[in-house]
Amino acid sequence: SAVISQKPSRDICQRGTSLTIQCQVDSQVTMMFWYRQQPGQSLTLIATANQGSEATYESGFVIDKFPISRPNLTFSTLTVSNMSPEDSSIYLCSVALAGVGEQFFGPGTRLTVL
Amino acid sequence: GIQVEQSPPDLILQEGANSTLRCNFSDSVNNLQWFHQNPWGQLINLFYIPSGTKQNGRLSATTVATERYSLLYISSSQTTDSGVYFCAVGIQGAQKLVFGQGTRLTINP
Repeated sequence: SAVISQKPSRDICQRGTSLTIQCQVDSQVTMMFWYRQQPGQSLTLIATANQGSEATYESGFVIDKFPISRPNLTFSTLTVSNMSPEDSSIYLCSVALAGVGEQFFGPGTRLTVL
Repeated sequence: GIQVEQSPPDLILQEGANSTLRCNFSDSVNNLQWFHQNPWGQLINLFYIPSGTKQNGRLSATTVATERYSLLYISSSQTTDSGVYFCAVGIQGAQKLVFGQGTRLTINP
């Protein structure tokens, strides 16, 4: 398995501002992902964070709204830009280890936008 | 895209009861995982089970890939088992997961 940390664990933000969420893993991993869980809903994949290149976004998610960086094999950031109350969600990063199909999730960042 | 359906959506049981949660999926998969999301939102890995049967204490899971379903069994339920149980699948050639809508389990003392 892997030990994954996220910062911040929670935040309350004002409409129109941006928040950057960090994800750190304790070992080099092949794949890193970002998911969103809206209140009372299931998890939806936002994008795959690619090391050294642009992230791969799922339908309905765009880079201008959710810019992602992955400068190395153990770290990634997700920015939620120009926030609105509809962005209030839990944001989770996940990782897949080399040669292992199983994914592991970070503790999540609980975001409230007022 | 692939569809993942979980049933039942809600389940309320008394402590000590047994339960079976079901996950149906619409296409071939190379990854299937069961998670428990606790009341604090943390997603805990229960099983990685693209096929076959596994057991871990009071929990066990079976995936019949040819018939495109998986079952999660919880025996002798405890109040700490309460939360939402998610099934998630990965399709051939892709490592991203598609989640079902979850089963909310409430265990009353």
